[in-house]
Amino acid sequence: EAEVAQSPRYKITEKSQAVAFWCDPISGHATLYWYRQILGQGPELLVQFQDESVVDDSQLPKDRFSAERLKGVDSTLKIQPAELGDSAMYLCASSTGDPGANVLTFGAGSRLTVL
Amino acid sequence: KNQVEQSPQSLIILEGKNCTLQCNYTVSPFSNLRWYKQDTGRGPVSLTIMTFSENTKSNGRYTATLDADTKQSSLHITASQLSDSASYICVVSAEETGFQKLVFGTGTRLLVSP
Repeated sequence: EAEVAQSPRYKITEKSQAVAFWCDPISGHATLYWYRQILGQGPELLVQFQDESVVDDSQLPKDRFSAERLKGVDSTLKIQPAELGDSAMYLCASSTGDPGANVLTFGAGSRLTVL
Repeated sequence: KNQVEQSPQSLIILEGKNCTLQCNYTVSPFSNLRWYKQDTGRGPVSLTIMTFSENTKSNGRYTATLDADTKQSSLHITASQLSDSASYICVVSAEETGFQKLVFGTGTRLLVSP
């Protein structure tokens, strides 16, 4: 069964350092999402791509977060500088992007701890 | 404001028992509603997805219902197993111009006890 690949699975860093997460969606999925999930809460959308274009980044803290999907396939989410409050699970998901009831497939996530 | 509220926040049941999780939403324009299961430390996995015209959908021991008039959904788990221990997240999709915007609930944490 096709999966969304994410790396690294775990990352520990000190505040003010730079962090990067990588996501490889399911082949052929046009829509890619980055979510942040704080322990005990539901996922919060950071950015949504349709192919290589950003369609929603209204909740992305743009002073420190950036995301790109240059060739419309894999994607990178960067945080610089990291802050203590950034400790969370970062989830990547992809879907076909077709109108209607398309299902998001999530990756296993990248757990970030900022010390 | 688009919102999804889930109840209870947490639940403990004995193995073999049934349970029902609730989801109320105020999302417009409604496109579809999904239930996800999230094991600790893992990404969510889709259980069911329902559109406006669907009232019920089953996936093994999981049965989801949708009442679009009252904007309520439920997830019923039959004959619970220890492996059902997880968070269950309700996600409602709003049809924005050109793409779907997803609104997540905070989830119900279920613990199935032996």
